[in-house]
Amino acid sequence: AQSVSQHNHHVILSEAASLELGCNYSYGGTVNLFWYVQYPGQHLQLLLKYFSGDPLVKGIKGFEAEFIKSKFSFNLRKPSVQWSDTAEYFCAVNAETTDSWGKFQFGAGTQVVVTP
Amino acid sequence: DVKVTQSSRYLVKRTGEKVFLECVQDMDHENMFWYRQDPGLGLRLIYFSYDVKMKEKGDIPEGYSVSREKKERFSLILESASTNQTSMYLCASSSWGLAGDQETQYFGPGTRLLVL
Repeated sequence: AQSVSQHNHHVILSEAASLELGCNYSYGGTVNLFWYVQYPGQHLQLLLKYFSGDPLVKGIKGFEAEFIKSKFSFNLRKPSVQWSDTAEYFCAVNAETTDSWGKFQFGAGTQVVVTP
Repeated sequence: DVKVTQSSRYLVKRTGEKVFLECVQDMDHENMFWYRQDPGLGLRLIYFSYDVKMKEKGDIPEGYSVSREKKERFSLILESASTNQTSMYLCASSSWGLAGDQETQYFGPGTRLLVL
């Protein structure tokens, strides 16, 4: 069964620092990759997604992610965080197989706290 | 804008009660999902449906059932609630993309269920 691993459960950093959140998945075939964010008290919303093409994808609010197929990774980055980036971040994978058809696998989430 | 609504934000039930969680989406999406979100475990798929009256088990279906009588509505049923079903329940919907891939999932605000 496919799995998704997020390396850090909690990250604390100061405003203007750079952020990188790791995400690795276990499936070797074709995958669709997503990063979702959940701000305090709000519902999950899409930050960015990768289906095919350029492995460097840009999302909303200055976030980007790079798909490295050889490393089974889809790491999320932001060069300079703001206090408003405090949130929980989830990586999700949808593998294009009959077993996984229609299903997303989510990572455990990374809680990011940005201090002023 | 896609809108996914859930019938309750907070719910308190007693052990053994039958619990209904309702989800409605207004974008004519084919696919609908129920997840539970627990700290440190991320989102885990309970059931999903890719068409009216169709349902597929997710990763943790035990103790739950679902109903999809209309395209826009997907209900999660706890036949006999237990304390270990205390959790945040999230509904999501998505459509099929032009390439046949599943598109982005859109989430509702969640229902926080407490079973006493």
